[in-house]
This record gives sequence, C-alpha cells and structure tokens, in this order.
Amino acid sequence: KNEVEQSPQNLTAQEGEFITINCSYSVGISALHWLQQHPGGGIVSLFMLSSGKKKHGRLIATINIQEKHSSLHITASHPRDSAVYICAVNRGGSTLGRLYFGRGTQLTVWP
Amino acid sequence: NAGVTQTPKFQVLKTGQSMTLQCAQDMNHNSMYWYRQDPGMGLRLIYYSASEGTTDKGEVPNGYNVSRLNKREFSLRLESAAPSQTSVYFCASSYTGVAYNEQFFGPGTRLTVL
Repeated sequence: KNEVEQSPQNLTAQEGEFITINCSYSVGISALHWLQQHPGGGIVSLFMLSSGKKKHGRLIATINIQEKHSSLHITASHPRDSAVYICAVNRGGSTLGRLYFGRGTQLTVWP
Repeated sequence: NAGVTQTPKFQVLKTGQSMTLQCAQDMNHNSMYWYRQDPGMGLRLIYYSASEGTTDKGEVPNGYNVSRLNKREFSLRLESAAPSQTSVYFCASSYTGVAYNEQFFGPGTRLTVL
C-alpha cells in the first residue's frame, strides 16, 4: 500500500466549477507538498505546508495533521487548470528532503 | 536563472547500451535528486545527494549509478540499459537545512530502451 494516497485518480469538470482533490498519508510527516504537472511534462511546486491553510490566487491547500489528510481546492476552474496534481510528503524525523509521492490526480476542465 | 536543466530531452537506446543523463542547477541548492516516472506508478526516487560528495540510494536504484560532480551537477548513468528502464526521468534540487523547502524540477528526459 502506498504511503500517500490521492483521490480521485481522474477528475473531469466544467469551467467555473469548484474542484477538490484529496490526499491521505499513513506516516508521520514534517511537510506536505502539492505539485502540478503540465500536459507538456514540467513539474512545478504549488504549495508546501505543515499546518493550516495556504492560498495562491484561485488555489487553496489545507492540511489536517491529526486526520493525516490534505485537500487542494480550485475555485472557478478554467481549462488552463487541466494538469496532473501530485501530493507528496517529507517524512517526520528526516532532514534529507526526500519526498514520497502519491500517484497523481488527472484533472480535465472543459470550456 | 535557468533553474534546473537536464540533457538530453529525448533518447532512444538499444538494450545493453550505456548513457549518462546530465543535470545542473544554478540555485546554490545543497540537495539534488533523480526520479523516474512511469504510468500509474507516480514519481519514484532513484538516488539522491544531500550535499556535494555524498549520494544515497532511493526506492529504485538497481541498474543506475550517480555522480555528484560538484554542488551544481548531479549525473545519472545507465551502464547497461534494459527495456524496464524505459521511463521519464526527472532531476530536482532543493535547499535542505533545518526547515524544508520546495523542490525545483528539471524538464525531464524521455528515455526509450528497445
């Protein structure tokens, strides 16, 4: 069983819809990352968080440490949000920066 | 700043051939990583280097070797390529100290082994 599980695997939405992608993990962590992989293959970091909530534009990431769960929300979705969204964690107690990844959520937003 | 650069972008090898994937970063990061990405598997760590002169195995190191040439460069070598090594390879870097920081990824190398 993967230590980091994402749901759903695939998500289709109409432009303007509110989107939620979920991430659950089974190990103690020091930080959780949300990454975006564009259709062309490039990977960029969206958020890194260890508690609470962060917001960048239309993207919001939350984490509940007690429940070992994080969510990525996209408000007013747009076709340019179509990408693979990847959840990853730094394990607690490790200072080496290694990330452990979920398998990703493929998001498609239709106009 | 170029960030993290990788060469080549695409490569086709025959089984048994060798090659080296090059990676360089210009952000003065101490840690560097090599990942492979396969359909349905997500990103998996091959090797990482926490600092210049040190390297450690990740989840899937078999069939690979690495060299941390200096602080900027971290190369991945396939000594005898196998079809199971067909994948997309990503190099990444980060500053790792007391606090965690985001990782920056290169554009990837798409490798096919026939």
